[in-house]
Amino acid sequence: ELKVEQNPLFLSMQEGKNYTIYCNYSTTSDRLYWYRQDPGKSLESLFVLLSNGAVKQEGRLMASLDTKARLSTLHITAAVHDLSATYFCAAPGPGANNLFFGTGTRLTVIP
Amino acid sequence: NAGVMQNPRHLVRRRGQEARLRCSPVKGHSHVYWYRQLPEEGLKFMVYLQKENIIDESGMPKERFSAEFPKEGPSILRIQQVVRGDSAAYFCASSPLGGGLGNTEAFFGQGTRLTVV
Repeated sequence: ELKVEQNPLFLSMQEGKNYTIYCNYSTTSDRLYWYRQDPGKSLESLFVLLSNGAVKQEGRLMASLDTKARLSTLHITAAVHDLSATYFCAAPGPGANNLFFGTGTRLTVIP
Repeated sequence: NAGVMQNPRHLVRRRGQEARLRCSPVKGHSHVYWYRQLPEEGLKFMVYLQKENIIDESGMPKERFSAEFPKEGPSILRIQQVVRGDSAAYFCASSPLGGGLGNTEAFFGQGTRLTVV
């Protein structure tokens, strides 16, 4: 079974600082998804990375994918409080019928 | 445009009762996926359905759980004789295209939080 691991699991950072969340997955996949979840809410799609070397940016978030290393990163630049949420990465399983999710990184941005 | 609608948002059941969770996909979407999220964990795939067909139920427990997506009406996830370990958030996602959740953009509902007491 595909395993998706994220680290750190918990991240507390000050406003204005930069940090990176890492997502490793155990088997070959040519795509990777990042989602955001606010407490008690649904998952919001952030990025879909479709190929090796893909880089996407939206505001203070930038995601990249290295399929050879089976690694994706979510980089946060100059964090603001509104970014506080849980971030999940997910990779398609065999046959791509479903996505395997990491356990999430709970980000808290403090003033 | 309504997104994926799930109801109820919160459901409390006593051990041994049945739980029925409903998911209305985005209008025009004919593919539905159910996921379960235990506290402090990621989402775990349960089942993938197309209208009137179960495409992949490899994540669904063999007993007590069933899912359907009829030609008309919402998709239903049914849990019989609930136990405390069934307490979780159940999310539904829908997509317009087939090929599985790994090949297409999907939209998630807000989830149903089931509590078994």
